[in-house]
Amino acid sequence: KQEVTQIPAALSVPEGENLVLNCSFTDSAIYNLQWFRQDPGKGLTSLLLIQSSQREQTSGRLNASLDKSSGRSTLYIAASQPGDSATYLCAVRGNTPLVFGKGTRLSVIA
Amino acid sequence: NAGVTQTPKFQVLKTGQSMTLQCAQDMNHEYMSWYRQDPGMGLRLIHYSVGAGITDQGEVPNGYNVSRSTTEDFPLRLLSAAPSQTSVYFCASWSSGGGTYEQYFGPGTRLTVT
Repeated sequence: KQEVTQIPAALSVPEGENLVLNCSFTDSAIYNLQWFRQDPGKGLTSLLLIQSSQREQTSGRLNASLDKSSGRSTLYIAASQPGDSATYLCAVRGNTPLVFGKGTRLSVIA
Repeated sequence: NAGVTQTPKFQVLKTGQSMTLQCAQDMNHEYMSWYRQDPGMGLRLIHYSVGAGITDQGEVPNGYNVSRSTTEDFPLRLLSAAPSQTSVYFCASWSSGGGTYEQYFGPGTRLTVT
């Protein structure tokens, strides 16, 4: 059974700092990995999707990498801003629809 | 496009009552799914559908029924609500077109069972 772990569970950083969120998964037989953002009381917004054949994807200040063989992904956020404060979720798609980690709650302090 | 829509946004039920959570998408996606989100548990898959008339169970299907009669709609039925079904429910849809399988989520339904 696929299990997805996100470390750390919570993170607080000063504005402007670069930061890395980690995601690991137990079964490397995945088709893709997706990073989401969730604001309190809101739905999920897709940030980046990496296919299993890809190593990384970039969107603006965000860069996600994937090492399928070691079961790891990282989400790099450059020059963090208070508006980046949210919960970030990692999810993998294998034989069933997405299996989610429990998320990293990020606070960026002005 | 409205994307993925869910109704209602909030609902309070008494134990034993039944109700249907509605989900619709206007992107012509063949795949749809339901998740529930609970504190400390993350999002867990309840049921999913790979096309009209085809559904399958996820990780936590007990107490829930689904059917998919059209491409656009994927309702989730609670037959006899229990306090353990208090949760936030999210519907998602995606397509194999282009090979991305990127999932799009609705805004959620917050359900309380007393």
